[in-house]
Amino acid sequence: DVKVTQSSRYLVKRTGEKVFLECVQDMDHENMFWYRQDPGLGLRLIYFSYDVKMKEKGDIPEGYSVSREKKERFSLILESASTNQTSMYLCASSGTGPTGELFFGEGSRLTVL
Amino acid sequence: AQRVTQPEKLLSVFKGAPVELKCNYSYSGSPELFWYVQYSRQRLQLLLRHISRESIKGFTADLNKGETSFHLKKPFAQEEDSAMYYCALGGSTGANNLFFGTGTRLTVIP
Repeated sequence: DVKVTQSSRYLVKRTGEKVFLECVQDMDHENMFWYRQDPGLGLRLIYFSYDVKMKEKGDIPEGYSVSREKKERFSLILESASTNQTSMYLCASSGTGPTGELFFGEGSRLTVL
Repeated sequence: AQRVTQPEKLLSVFKGAPVELKCNYSYSGSPELFWYVQYSRQRLQLLLRHISRESIKGFTADLNKGETSFHLKKPFAQEEDSAMYYCALGGSTGANNLFFGTGTRLTVIP
């Protein structure tokens, strides 16, 4: 079974703090993604990576950065958290198999006070 | 531009009744469409993809290019179908990124 693990299920941070969200996958997938999930807005792509040290902006990259130093790990960084970044963050990975099969983590719920 | 529209945020049906979750898309190329499902306290997972033309858990979805639709249907809803459903459109890059709709929460009433 593909396993995508997000290290933190729940985080509470203060405005201005730096936040790291970690994601690890164990299936040697090339592609990794960060989405945020908000009621009424669905899933919106923040960043994705198709290879180590490579990254591409998604639809809403502002206020976020990412790091992919190893194939299995994709980190999302909020340099200075703001209240409008309170959300559920979903990490996903996919291989070179059939398009569209993303494997998701359980999510990290971030609250910024 | 790529766009996925799910017009219903909430949908309630009685157990045993037919269910249809609507999805319309906008895409200039040849679309690849998917339905993802998230059951309570579970992770988001692929339900079905149009290219497979398969039935999963009794659900089917037909791609209608003329109407640019990919509606999800099931003839007899079950309580365990209650979940959040997202329609998704394959992106234009090679990295398998998807554009998701806003989702429809389906509730099946016993």
